[in-house]
Amino acid sequence: NAGVMQNPRHLVRRRGQEARLRCSPVKGHSHVYWYRQLPEEGLKFMVYLQKENIIDESGMPKERFSAEFPKEGPSILRIQQVVRGDSAAYFCASSAGQNEKLFFGSGTQLSVL
Amino acid sequence: QQQVKQSPQSLIVQKGGISIINCAYENTAFDYFPWYQQFPGKGPALLIAIRPDVSEKKEGRFTISFNKSAKQFSLHIMDSQPGDSATYFCAASIQAAGNKLTFGGGTRVLVKP
Repeated sequence: NAGVMQNPRHLVRRRGQEARLRCSPVKGHSHVYWYRQLPEEGLKFMVYLQKENIIDESGMPKERFSAEFPKEGPSILRIQQVVRGDSAAYFCASSAGQNEKLFFGSGTQLSVL
Repeated sequence: QQQVKQSPQSLIVQKGGISIINCAYENTAFDYFPWYQQFPGKGPALLIAIRPDVSEKKEGRFTISFNKSAKQFSLHIMDSQPGDSATYFCAASIQAAGNKLTFGGGTRVLVKP
């Protein structure tokens, strides 16, 4: 049973481009979370999704960031018009239920030039 | 307040020694306190967790101590091994909000052989 799969592992973008980060949760998991980790810092909650619904997006920047978890396919975190401050490791995590054990992927390292 | 403060930032311990990491929180609504272990290039993995109705939980060489009145909790790693060298994060959440975790800043532990 594969764990949480994130791709790409590394993504390089120039300022102003779009970044799309993909996350396939553990098979059977319907709850997905996105976290962001800046260098030498802890993870910061961004958004909580459950199949086709955004449950909590209180950690998402108001502009340029969006997330989705469609009925079929992976969850996508989309960052439009990236800036250098968006450079970070983005982690996806999934769980089988609201308070079930959380499993993290290995992350996508986004570098903005 | 949602902040979780973690100390120390880094820790060096000899093989066989005890590693102690401390965390303090402010939000009294938090009711779930997990610890995560993260190796370089990997996502965090759940190590052990505690709820505020108990003061201590032990799993193998890992023990969480919880002081509700002081709003503090700590992780003790007994008989530390070189394989325990990793970054450790404490976290806190409100169970009604699912796995929306507030993380501490992390402690980098190095166990010397």
